[in-house]
Amino acid sequence: SAVISQKPSRDICQRGTSLTIQCQVDSQVTMMFWYRQQPGQSLTLIATANQGSEATYESGFVIDKFPISRPNLTFSTLTVSNMSPEDSSIYLCSAATGGNQPQHFGDGTRLSIL
Amino acid sequence: GNSVTQMEGPVTLSEEAFLTINCTYTATGYPSLFWYVQYPGEGLQLLLKATKADDKGSNKGFEATYRKETTSFHLEKGSVQVSDSAVYFCALLRNSGNTPLVFGKGTRLSVIA
Repeated sequence: SAVISQKPSRDICQRGTSLTIQCQVDSQVTMMFWYRQQPGQSLTLIATANQGSEATYESGFVIDKFPISRPNLTFSTLTVSNMSPEDSSIYLCSAATGGNQPQHFGDGTRLSIL
Repeated sequence: GNSVTQMEGPVTLSEEAFLTINCTYTATGYPSLFWYVQYPGEGLQLLLKATKADDKGSNKGFEATYRKETTSFHLEKGSVQVSDSAVYFCALLRNSGNTPLVFGKGTRLSVIA
């Protein structure tokens, strides 16, 4: 199964700043996704990161706030822009090889905004 | 649409007790079904999966059987340990694949010695 590394693992940021989270997979994957998990809650899908084209965002999430890049089949970034305390959450990267294969997850980035 | 419903937690059990976490789903066609586990401070790990009706997924003493007639995929373990304390998520993948998982809300399990 794919091994997914996320950086940073945690950060504390100031209101109004932006942070870019990196996700590296140890093998080529078809699908990459970004999720948000608020404390004690389930996962909410932010977007599907598409290789070589714009990400596909879920309702309630927009590109200006959460720009995503996916330059190749093993790497993606998520930027949380103009952060506010409401953005304090865990952000999780996930990847899958497609078909009915399961998704695998990174350990997440724990983000706190002051 | 596709959805997953899990029993509400938290669930608190004594060590060596029997565990059942209920999961039912709504989906068109024949989805694949998964259980994931999230230990404190970590990401999600795949626990087990089943891709067709009557399949049984198993791992680390946990089992779940894909029941199409009841649209269920209940997680069971005969004897839980303190180290099983975690949040458990049931999830489905549409039969067309190449789509993101649909997750249940998660069930927190606490096992006390």
